[in-house]
Amino acid sequence: NAGVMQNPRHLVRRRGQEARLRCSPMKGHSHVYWYRQLPEEGLKFMVYLQKENIIDESGMPKERFSAEFPKEGPSILRIQQVVRGDSAAYFCASSTGGTGVNEQFFGPGTRLTVL
Amino acid sequence: DAKTTQPPSMDCAEGRAANLPCNHSTISGNEYVYWYRQIHSQGPQYIIHGLKNNETNEMASLIITEDRKSSTLILPHATLRDTAVYYCIVRVYAGGTSYGKLTFGQGTILTVHP
Repeated sequence: NAGVMQNPRHLVRRRGQEARLRCSPMKGHSHVYWYRQLPEEGLKFMVYLQKENIIDESGMPKERFSAEFPKEGPSILRIQQVVRGDSAAYFCASSTGGTGVNEQFFGPGTRLTVL
Repeated sequence: DAKTTQPPSMDCAEGRAANLPCNHSTISGNEYVYWYRQIHSQGPQYIIHGLKNNETNEMASLIITEDRKSSTLILPHATLRDTAVYYCIVRVYAGGTSYGKLTFGQGTILTVHP
C-alpha cells in the first residue's frame, strides 16, 4: 500500500516561471492538505481540499498560488510567476476524512528552488 | 486551535527513555492532542494522539494530565534514528470528525546521542 506520493521531488525554476507540484494521496484517502516549510522555519498550512472542493484556503497567499484536487488524478499546487521567496519545501498530506480522528499522512515533499 | 508550548531542544542517551513535555493550557474540550515528528527535512510522521486517556502504540506512549493542560510523549528506548523535531499539536474534534489543518509550532529538537 503506497504512501502519499509527491512529484517532482526537486524542482528548479527561474523567476517568473510557473511551478506545478503534484500530490497523489494514499489509496482510500479523499482529503488532501498542502503545507509549506520555508528554510529554517516551521511548517505552515496552506490549503485543505476534498475531491473537487476547496475546504479551507486560509493559508494560501492571495496571489499567484492556486490548488485543485480534481475528480480524477492528483492534487496540484500551482505557483505562477515564481519569486525567490517561494523557494521552500512543499509537503502534501492526506487523510480518510469522514468520521473519526483522521490522522494525516505526509508525503516526502517537493523542494522548490527559484533561481 | 489552542497554542502549545514545547522546550526548544532536549538531549537523550541512546537506550534511555525520552520524555518530551508539551503545555496546552488553553485546550478546549473538543480538541485532541497529536504528536508528529520530522526527521531531517523528511515529511512529518504521525506518532500518536489522545483526548484524555493515556495512549500507547508501537512507537510511543502519550500521558495527558487529568486537567488536560499538559502532556508528555514518551519514547521508551530512544535510538539514534529518533533524532528529530517533535511537534505537539492540538486539533479540533467535533461531531465525530477531526477537522482540517494541523498548526505546527517550533517543536522540540530531540538529539539522541550514543
